[in-house]
Amino acid sequence: QVQLQESGPGLVKPSETLSLTCTVSGGSVSSGRYYWSWIRQPPGKGLEWLGYIYNSERTNYNPSLKSRVTISADTSKNQFSLSLSSVTAADTAVYYCARFYGGMPFEYWGQGTLVTVSS
Amino acid sequence: EIVMTQSPATLSVSPGESATLSCWASQSVSSNLAWYQQKPGQAPRLLIYGASTRATGIPARFSGSGSGTEFTLTISSLQSEDFAVYYCQQYNNWPYSFGQGTKLEIK
Repeated sequence: QVQLQESGPGLVKPSETLSLTCTVSGGSVSSGRYYWSWIRQPPGKGLEWLGYIYNSERTNYNPSLKSRVTISADTSKNQFSLSLSSVTAADTAVYYCARFYGGMPFEYWGQGTLVTVSS
Repeated sequence: EIVMTQSPATLSVSPGESATLSCWASQSVSSNLAWYQQKPGQAPRLLIYGASTRATGIPARFSGSGSGTEFTLTISSLQSEDFAVYYCQQYNNWPYSFGQGTKLEIK
């Protein structure tokens, strides 16, 4: 059974960089079978796909955030990470990591972690 | 980006009755449409993919239909645990995009 767990600071100051890690069990982030993604949800609002990493190095990002977002993988720890630079209050959200097969929707999700951007 | 629109924003239905939720895409997504259920404080749960295929462990009272730009999620014989927010999502084109959600509440 695949399990994903987000971790990272719950509070980030404006203009700084938000960094989160997703630890995966029951599946390998280096596997060529799966894509590993980040999705966020502002409080009381809908879902926004941020980007994915595949085969530990291929990435694809949402154009709305492309210049600020980076996703990377640490295969030795079976983790993948999100970095979002120059954050503002609009980046306050619950951040989820998720897994999917190519051409399929998001099948497995982490429980999510709330990140608040505030001074 | 493909814009997904859901209707209604809120739907009030009594337990035991059926609920029909709608989702439209701004351009064709073929059958690459998924439905998710989200309860407060939880991650979304995949219900339907391929517009009409139930995900593993999803009860038969959940059914999906449609293709192209118009899609429907029907929940028959509503049970207490079905009252939640439902999202549609297209995975035909990047960036993948979600609808704004329909809140299904108890009448």
